[in-house]
Amino acid sequence: SAVISQKPSRDICQRGTSLTIQCQVDSQVTMMFWYRQQPGQSLTLIATANQGSEATYESGFVIDKFPISRPNLTFSTLTVSNMSPEDSSIYLCSVVRTSSPDTQYFGPGTRLTVL
Amino acid sequence: AQKITQTQPGMFVQEKEAVTLDCTYDTSDPSYGLFWYKQPSSGEMIFLIYQGSYDQQNATEGRYSLNFQKARKSANLVISASQLGDSAMYFCAMRATGTASKLTFGTGTRLQVTL
Repeated sequence: SAVISQKPSRDICQRGTSLTIQCQVDSQVTMMFWYRQQPGQSLTLIATANQGSEATYESGFVIDKFPISRPNLTFSTLTVSNMSPEDSSIYLCSVVRTSSPDTQYFGPGTRLTVL
Repeated sequence: AQKITQTQPGMFVQEKEAVTLDCTYDTSDPSYGLFWYKQPSSGEMIFLIYQGSYDQQNATEGRYSLNFQKARKSANLVISASQLGDSAMYFCAMRATGTASKLTFGTGTRLQVTL
């Protein structure tokens, strides 16, 4: 399985501020995704992080609110901007490895609480 | 469009017994993959097992097996010899074949293993 790390693992933030979450993978991957899991809910895809180009966002998610970078094949960041309590969720990075295209792995997640 | 249905919000099983978690799906894609993930209270998503739609045999990974019935569009997870550490949320997910496609998740089943 891929070794995926996320920073921070958890944070408590004030309304109106922004938080950048980092995702680092131990080997090259073909695809990187960012998911959100609101309390008591299932996972929802925010966007696909594309290397060297703008991310592809799902319906209901916009770049101004969730800017994403992916400067290389093993690293990506997700920023949650101008946060409100409704942004309190677990944010998870997910990857498809070049060597295992049929499987998909998740990072340990970032648990965000917005006050 | 793809849809995953998990009809069991919660399940109980005694330690050392086997348990089946139900998952049905709907898709118009001719080729797809089915996944099961475990999410303990820590929040991480742990990949358990994968079944491709054209795989001839049901997938197995240690104590986990996937009862894949294509005609019924079901992909139930069977956990044998349950352990206390199996207590967690379990999510069924599907993805059209091709790494560019996103995972669609079910609502999850909370499994509680008792003594």
